[in-house]
Amino acid sequence: GDSVTQMEGPVTLSEEAFLTINCTYTATGYPSLFWYVQYPGEGLQLLLKATKADDKGSNKGFEATYRKETTSFHLEKGSVQVSDSAVYFCALSDRSYNTDKLIFGTGTRLQVFP
Amino acid sequence: EAQVTQNPRYLITVTGKKLTVTCSQNMNHEYMSWYRQDPGLGLRQIYYSMNVEVTDKGDVPEGYKVSRKEKRNFPLILESPSPNQTSLYFCASSVAGTGAVFRHEQFFGPGTRLTVL
Repeated sequence: GDSVTQMEGPVTLSEEAFLTINCTYTATGYPSLFWYVQYPGEGLQLLLKATKADDKGSNKGFEATYRKETTSFHLEKGSVQVSDSAVYFCALSDRSYNTDKLIFGTGTRLQVFP
Repeated sequence: EAQVTQNPRYLITVTGKKLTVTCSQNMNHEYMSWYRQDPGLGLRQIYYSMNVEVTDKGDVPEGYKVSRKEKRNFPLILESPSPNQTSLYFCASSVAGTGAVFRHEQFFGPGTRLTVL
């Protein structure tokens, strides 16, 4: 079945450091890809999305490019802030399903220190 | 304000005592879903509903029930909770996608932390 694999956390960075969180996927169809963020004590919020190969999703300084050839959707940010500390989830939604099911990775905790 | 609400936010209960977690959305979304979040496993779908009176099992439905009598509400029912249902539960809603149409953003509630002793 479809699956999403994320790098293990926690990822610990100093403020203004460069961030990469790796995400790869396996899907039988042609999925849409998402990054969701979960701040402490809150639900998940959509961070960015991409629907087809070579699409780049971006929001709040974060970017991710849909790479069909490597089945990847890595999250990057050039300069992290303390306020970016959260858990980040990579997810896919496969259009071959007749539902709106999201398949999530296990999440990667990011801790940013001043 | 567009939102998904869940109640209660925290619940400690004992094995076998029936409980209901409520979920309500004010965005007129057709699609609603319940997930559980466990360490090392990410989020897994329990049940979902494509519209009123239309529900179906997700990946981990055992021990749970749902109903969708109104468009805005999608309660999760645990008839006889067990300790392995201790988890963080999220309700989500979205506009329903169809066929090859891009799947819309899902909006999540704040979560319900359930402990079953």
